[in-house]
Amino acid sequence: QKEVEQNSGPLSVPEGAIASLNCTYSDRGSQSFFWYRQYSGKSPELIMFIYSNGDKEDGRFTAQLNKASQYVSLLIRDSQPSDSATYLCAVNRKGSTLGRLYFGRGTQLTVWP
Amino acid sequence: IAGITQAPTSQILAAGRRMTLRCTQDMRHNAMYWYRQDLGLGLRLIHYSNTAGTTGKGEVPDGYSVSRANTDDFPLTLASAVPSQTSVYFCASSSTGSEQFFGPGTRLTVL
Repeated sequence: QKEVEQNSGPLSVPEGAIASLNCTYSDRGSQSFFWYRQYSGKSPELIMFIYSNGDKEDGRFTAQLNKASQYVSLLIRDSQPSDSATYLCAVNRKGSTLGRLYFGRGTQLTVWP
Repeated sequence: IAGITQAPTSQILAAGRRMTLRCTQDMRHNAMYWYRQDLGLGLRLIHYSNTAGTTGKGEVPDGYSVSRANTDDFPLTLASAVPSQTSVYFCASSSTGSEQFFGPGTRLTVL
């Protein structure tokens, strides 16, 4: 089982809808969770991080973490065509070398006007 | 310089040649990382460095070497390039040991 699993998509939603991106991880001791956005041909860009169970909101983005279920998600409200990108989930495992992140393969999101 | 820079932006290389990809950051981050990104495989860690003078192997280190002589620079060397090393290479850095910030990438083609 891969450390971090994401649905590859593509996920397609209309403009204004809520996009829901999901991620599961295998190591129950994981402590830090990150969402990166990557536009085609560009480098990954950090958009959210979450450390504690529950929700964390930042503008139109909400990260949700459930450690008991080993599940982290990203909700994008009022989706815009500019949100069309690949979203990468990353996890920092407890006891792993400092700062090492394990990445999922990404979910491709398309927001159509 | 602001953030992380990588050079070259892209390169076409003959198999068997030696190549060094450069990475420089001006954020005084302790930790630096090299990833390769291939379609369908996501980001895979090649090598990392927690601080100047130390390096470690990641998930796919074979065929690559790194050095960390100072805080700012973290070059990645392919001693004898092979076609399977065709990829997009990203350098990243981190100060807190958690959030990583990525450079713009180097697109490498080995023929």
